[in-house]
Amino acid sequence: GAVVSQHPSRVICKSGTSVKIECRSLDFQATTMFWYRQFPKQSLMLMATSNEGSKATYEQGVEKDKFLINHASLTLSTLTVTSAHPEDSSFYICSAQQGNGGNTEAFFGQGTRLTVV
Amino acid sequence: GENVEQHPSTLSVQEGDSAVIKCTYSDSASNYFPWYKQELGKRPQLIIDIRSNVGEKKDQRIAVTLNKTAKHFSLHITETQPEDSAVYFCAASKRDKIIFGKGTRLHILP
Repeated sequence: GAVVSQHPSRVICKSGTSVKIECRSLDFQATTMFWYRQFPKQSLMLMATSNEGSKATYEQGVEKDKFLINHASLTLSTLTVTSAHPEDSSFYICSAQQGNGGNTEAFFGQGTRLTVV
Repeated sequence: GENVEQHPSTLSVQEGDSAVIKCTYSDSASNYFPWYKQELGKRPQLIIDIRSNVGEKKDQRIAVTLNKTAKHFSLHITETQPEDSAVYFCAASKRDKIIFGKGTRLHILP
């Protein structure tokens, strides 16, 4: 299957700083990528849809100024957690689908465990 | 928006027995229903999917059924093995974004 790479896999940052997470589709182009947050023993909560060349679409309750998404190319989307606080500590995971999205298999990155101290 | 409910949240079955996980969805326009398996510390991976024009699909020990009228779909795992222990997520999609259920933690007992 297609490969999605996410970096870094783990990051620890100080409260008030910003952290950038990268999501790359290695062997296919993805017009759309998705960012999820997963709390321990809980489901994947969709945060936003990242659209190449346009603004991201955020789910209700997700602060767009807090979680900045940039999708500058067909193979790269970034999520920046700005002014991070301990409550932002979580597992963040991206996914991408081949082509223009739609009803096809989603391939996930390996996830990023963010710890804010 | 779409809402996906999944039950049970935890399931323990004896090795060799069958496991069934059930999901319901709210948006009748959803037409793609994938199931993902997530092992501890790993990324979710697709194990089987079904589209709205099909009522049942099977792949070796795994099968999925879909009832569009009732808006529910189920995952069936037969002859369970230790490596089936994981968290399973159902999901629903209608064109773009995929909405996941809360997951079922499946334990296979020796």
